Amino acid sequence: DAGVIQSPRHEVTEMGQEVTLRCKPISGHDYLFWYRQTMMRGLELLIYFNNNVPIDDSGMPEDRFSAKMPNASFSTLKIQPSEPRDSAVYFCASSRGLAGMNEQYFGPGTRLTVT
Amino acid sequence: DQQVKQNSPSLSVQEGRISILNCDYTNSMFDYFLWYKKYPAEGPTFLISISSIKDKNEDGRFTVFLNKSAKHLSLHIVPSQPGDSAVYFCAASDSGTYKYIFGTGTRLKVLA
Repeated sequence: DAGVIQSPRHEVTEMGQEVTLRCKPISGHDYLFWYRQTMMRGLELLIYFNNNVPIDDSGMPEDRFSAKMPNASFSTLKIQPSEPRDSAVYFCASSRGLAGMNEQYFGPGTRLTVT
Repeated sequence: DQQVKQNSPSLSVQEGRISILNCDYTNSMFDYFLWYKKYPAEGPTFLISISSIKDKNEDGRFTVFLNKSAKHLSLHIVPSQPGDSAVYFCAASDSGTYKYIFGTGTRLKVLA
């Protein structure tokens, strides 16, 4: 199994530009999570999906952030327009079954820099 | 409002000695706790977990202790090895929401 795949690994963009981060979860996993890591706040949960349906997006910081999961093998996190304070590492994770009781498998992350 | 706190951003330990990483939480609804380890340029990986019905769980060199009255958990690594040098995240969840709340992490450096 290839694990959770994220692309790109690094993204540098200018303020105001649209950014799209991509994730392929582990096959057979029915939960998908998007996290953001910063020094000040650690790992923050942004949104999670169950069977491709968004369940909780209360962690999405602003309307500039949106996430979709069109099918079981693909999800995107979009920031439009991007701002320097969005600079962080964004992780995607997936799990099988009840997420609160099961290990989440993380991708390698996308390091986003907004200048 | 940080519901899960790791107050020590870093810790250095000599190889062979015990490493103790601490974590405090505020939400009494949390009933499941986990530790994840993260190496640079990689995603976090699961290390060990504990349910609130237990106060201790062991897996090889790693032991997690839970003190529910103090809302405190700790991870003990004995003996510490240089390969244990990483950032360790504590996480908590309650079975009603299925969400993990992570702390800010503690960077452990094990000195050879």
